[in-house]
Amino acid sequence: AQTVTQSQPEMSVQEAETVTLSCTYDTSENNYYLFWYKQPPSRQMILVIRQEAYKQQNATENRFSVNFQKAAKSFSLKISDSQLGDTAMYFCAFMKFRSEKLVFGKGTKLTVNP
Amino acid sequence: DVKVTQSSRYLVKRTGEKVFLECVQDMDHENMFWYRQDPGLGLRLIYFSYDVKMKEKGDIPEGYSVSREKKERFSLILESASTNQTSMYLCASSLARDPDTQYFGPGTRLTVL
Repeated sequence: AQTVTQSQPEMSVQEAETVTLSCTYDTSENNYYLFWYKQPPSRQMILVIRQEAYKQQNATENRFSVNFQKAAKSFSLKISDSQLGDTAMYFCAFMKFRSEKLVFGKGTKLTVNP
Repeated sequence: DVKVTQSSRYLVKRTGEKVFLECVQDMDHENMFWYRQDPGLGLRLIYFSYDVKMKEKGDIPEGYSVSREKKERFSLILESASTNQTSMYLCASSLARDPDTQYFGPGTRLTVL
C-alpha cells in the first residue's frame, strides 16, 4: 500500500517570503501522479499543482513549484512571494497510474503573516 | 466550472440516528468519492463509485454505506450514527477519462451527540 508523509504539521512564513512544504511517499509503482491540494479556512479544497512521475521536469504554476525527486520519493512544494491568501491546509497526495483513488498525507497548516 | 455541492455545511445528530449526507455534481462525472477528514489524520477514503449503482469500499467503510441511483448524486449513509463519526465529510468527483483531477465539495461538518 502507498503511504504519504508530511513531516511538518504547521509552518508559518512572512508575507512576500518563500516557503517550502515537504512530502515523502512510499510506493513500489513506477507510474503515478503526485498532487498538492490547498484547503483555505472554511473553503473548498482545490488542486494547486500536479506532477506525472514519468516527467523529469518539475511542474510549476505561477508562484507554486515542486521539487520532484523520484529516486528519493520526495515531492516538496515551494511557494514564492507568499500572500495572505496562501494561508491554508496543504495536502500532498498520491495516485497510482490508471487508478481513481487518491492517498493523502496528514496535511501541513501554513500561516502567512503580514 | 465544475460544481460539487453538499446538502449541508453543518449537521448535528444524535447517537443512533440514521444520517444521510448528499452530494451532487453538475459535470457528468463518472467517479464520485466520499472522504472523511480529521485533524492530524488527513483525508481518508470511505467509499468510491465509478458508475451508477456501482460502489467500492475505501479504507474506512465500517459504519457507512452509500447509494448512487443517479449519475450526478452520491449519498453517504450512517445507518446508526455514533460519536466517533463526528467529523468533516468531503465529497469529490472526477471524470473517468481524466481520473487524476478530483473536484471537491465544500464539506459537511457532522457532529454526533
